[in-house]
Amino acid sequence: QVQLVQSGAEVKKPGASVKVSCKASGHTFSSLDINWVRQAAGQGLEWVGWMNPRGQTGYAPKFQGRVSMTRDISMNTAYMELRSLTSEDTAIYYCARYMIGAAFDPWGQGTQVTVSS
Amino acid sequence: EFVLTQSPGTLSLSPGERATLSCRASQFVTNNSLAWYQQKPGQTPRLLIYGASTRATGIPDRFSGSGSGTDFTLTISRLEPEDFAVYFCHNYGYGQDTFGQGTKLEIK
Repeated sequence: QVQLVQSGAEVKKPGASVKVSCKASGHTFSSLDINWVRQAAGQGLEWVGWMNPRGQTGYAPKFQGRVSMTRDISMNTAYMELRSLTSEDTAIYYCARYMIGAAFDPWGQGTQVTVSS
Repeated sequence: EFVLTQSPGTLSLSPGERATLSCRASQFVTNNSLAWYQQKPGQTPRLLIYGASTRATGIPDRFSGSGSGTDFTLTISRLEPEDFAVYFCHNYGYGQDTFGQGTKLEIK
């Protein structure tokens, strides 16, 4: 079964960029559809974007132009980079596998990103 | 803009009672692409229901989902102590996913 393991917590200054990784095991990585979701403290879930098995990407309008999703198939790893960080980007960032018709499962353990001067 | 509105914001019930959580979409949900997740403090969201009514692997049958179109419901038939958590609905599959704001299910 698929397992997703994310990189560790990050602390960044306003205006910087952050790159979070999501390493998959237990499945052929190149066939995975990976989505990214974030959650600020005490808040709800916010969808950031996706990358499908063909490497195509789609982003929520709110993040368009500021986010990039990539992958390294040889490393079984997906990446999400968010640029021009502000304090409002402070959140836990999750990766999750999307199965067609079956929503998001499993999820990575989450990566805390803190933006502070 | 596609919006999912969950109600109530907070639901206070006792173990053994029945819980009914609502999720209303601002537009028609195609192919019943509606999921429910449970999230406990400090934990990752856990998929409960997808396709509006299909239980995910390992989910107890006291959890059930129903609805179509714009109105969806998550029902927990008899609350167990471990069911008290926050529940989110999620419209997925068309490249512009949306989550509801969540319903907190708390012990009365």
